[in-house]
Formats: sequence, structure tokens, C-alpha cells
Amino acid sequence: GEDVEQSLFLSVREGDSSVINCTYTDSSSTYLYWYKQEPGAGLQLLTYIFSNMDMKQDQRLTVLLNKKDKHLSLRIADTQTGDSAIYFCAGQNYGGSQGNLIFGKGTKLSVKP
Amino acid sequence: DVKVTQSSRYLVKRTGEKVFLECVQDMDHENMFWYRQDPGLGLRLIYFSYDVKMKEKGDIPEGYSVSREKKERFSLILESASTNQTSMYLCASGRSRGEQYFGPGTRLTVT
Repeated sequence: GEDVEQSLFLSVREGDSSVINCTYTDSSSTYLYWYKQEPGAGLQLLTYIFSNMDMKQDQRLTVLLNKKDKHLSLRIADTQTGDSAIYFCAGQNYGGSQGNLIFGKGTKLSVKP
Repeated sequence: DVKVTQSSRYLVKRTGEKVFLECVQDMDHENMFWYRQDPGLGLRLIYFSYDVKMKEKGDIPEGYSVSREKKERFSLILESASTNQTSMYLCASGRSRGEQYFGPGTRLTVT
């Protein structure tokens, strides 16, 4: 099954770019996801990328996928204090689009003014 | 906007009590999920339901059961609460297993 790893903490200054990295083990996942959790709240789907894409851009968010290295990253441009949250990378267990999500442990992003 | 609501934000129960956590979604989603979230362990799937009265065990089903009598409602039951079930419980729903919408969570403390 899928296993997802990500670093636990990232600290940036307001206005800088943030890059959150994730590695996964199951190369047959059809989609890979990024979720965001603000303090005291549930998770919110931020974006996802189809496995045959290398990059997806959505306003300030850029997702890069390197299938060869099984590496996924989320870049947040012009990071704001409101971006402070925990960011979870997720793949789907047993590949395809029918497996349940397997989440990384989350990267806590702190944005300093 | 999709809305997933959970019956309580905070709950305190005693060891051995039977505990019900309720989740309701308003988007007619087939799939509903219960997770627990613990520091250092991330999110772990307890149970999943893909239709009314249908359920599948997730990664950590021991000590839990679920009920889905109506499409919009998915209940998590702790038959006999124990202190190691103190956690944040998150409910989610979605048309697919990947694109999930989460409720705000219930922080359960078992004393």
C-alpha cells in the first residue's frame, strides 16, 4: 500500500515563497492531493494533480510532480500570514482512484511577519 | 458550499461509557469517512461507508463501530470508551474517495 512522507515543519517570512515537499511509495496512484488544516478546523482540499501531469498551477499554488523520484511539492507564492496552517500530502492506497487516502503526517507552515 | 457538520466540537466521557459521534453532510455524497488525528501520527482511517448500510474497515477499526442508516448521516460508536481513544475525530464526505470534504472535528477526552 501507499506510504507518504513529509517534513514536519517549515518557517518562512511573509512575502517569500514556501515549498512543501512530499515523497510517496505507490507510483500507481491516479491522483495526488494537498489538503490544508487551519488551527481548530478540519481539512480543506487545496488542490490535486493527475498522475500524468508534471505541474499544475492554481493562482498562488503550484504543484510539481516528479514521478520518477516519487516526489510531490507544493509551492505557495507570496506567502501570507493567513497561509499559516498544517499542509497534508495524500496519495490513494493500492493505486488507481478507488483506494482510500493515505495522508502524510503534515507539514506545519509558520509565516513570520 | 459543501457542509459537513459534527454533533459536538468538544466531548468529555468516562472510561467504559458508550459514545456516539454524529456526522451529517448536505451534498448527497455516497462516501463518508471517519478518521482520528493524533500528534505525530497524522490522520488514520477508522471506517469508511460507500452507501447506506455499507461499510468497510479502515486502518484502525478496533474498538469502534459505525452506522449509516441514511445517506446524509454517518455515526461513529465507541462501544466502551478507553483513555487511548482520547483524540480528535474528523468526519469527511465526498463523491470520490480522493476529494473529501471535512467537518470541523470533535475533540474527545476519555477520563
